[in-house]
Amino acid sequence: DAGITQSPRHKVTETGTPVTLRCHQTENHRYMYWYRQDPGHGLRLIHYSYGVKDTDKGEVSDGYSVSRSKTEDFLLTLESATSSQTSVYFCAISRGNDETQYFGPGTRLLVL
Amino acid sequence: GQQVMQIPQYQHVQEGEDFTTYCNSSTTLSNIQWYKQRPGGHPVFLIQLVKSGEVKKQKRLTFQFGEAKKNSSLHITATQTTDVGTYFCAARYFGNEKLTFGTGTRLTIIP
Repeated sequence: DAGITQSPRHKVTETGTPVTLRCHQTENHRYMYWYRQDPGHGLRLIHYSYGVKDTDKGEVSDGYSVSRSKTEDFLLTLESATSSQTSVYFCAISRGNDETQYFGPGTRLLVL
Repeated sequence: GQQVMQIPQYQHVQEGEDFTTYCNSSTTLSNIQWYKQRPGGHPVFLIQLVKSGEVKKQKRLTFQFGEAKKNSSLHITATQTTDVGTYFCAARYFGNEKLTFGTGTRLTIIP
């Protein structure tokens, strides 16, 4: 498996609280992605990054922000968590945007 | 937005039977990838198809890309318990290099 870690792996939080998920890679890949996975929807792209401080929105970006200050770290922030953001969040990396994506182990987030 | 339809959503088969999942797009694709996700795990890349009519094999798995590059299939011959999981296609459209994932087909095996 590619060197990708996500933290935390599980989190329970309350509606209205801020939450930050971290993705860390040791592969020096340029591209990093945040997906959410929900039953019946497959994997949906939230945000992605194509370099340090270079990010763009995916198809479900509302309510989420990201930051990438170092090549190895990509942070996903829920400014004010809502119950609809209960999901499994996966980080992925790739060398190029048209290449294979390698996924991290995922973070299970429950918003009460 | 661009969508790729994947069917069936679930498939239960007896061990040793064959299994097929299909992905369909209304728009021509640049390429398509397939991923497998074991229960409780993360998606793992299986293969990428690029050419019209392309067929690739990995042991008991056969991947096909349609002539019009609008559909793709994954066929598993003589399923084994290790094949359990959810199989996703991930489509890439011209002019949009982001992947669009299908909803997945969850395969369960009856021993």
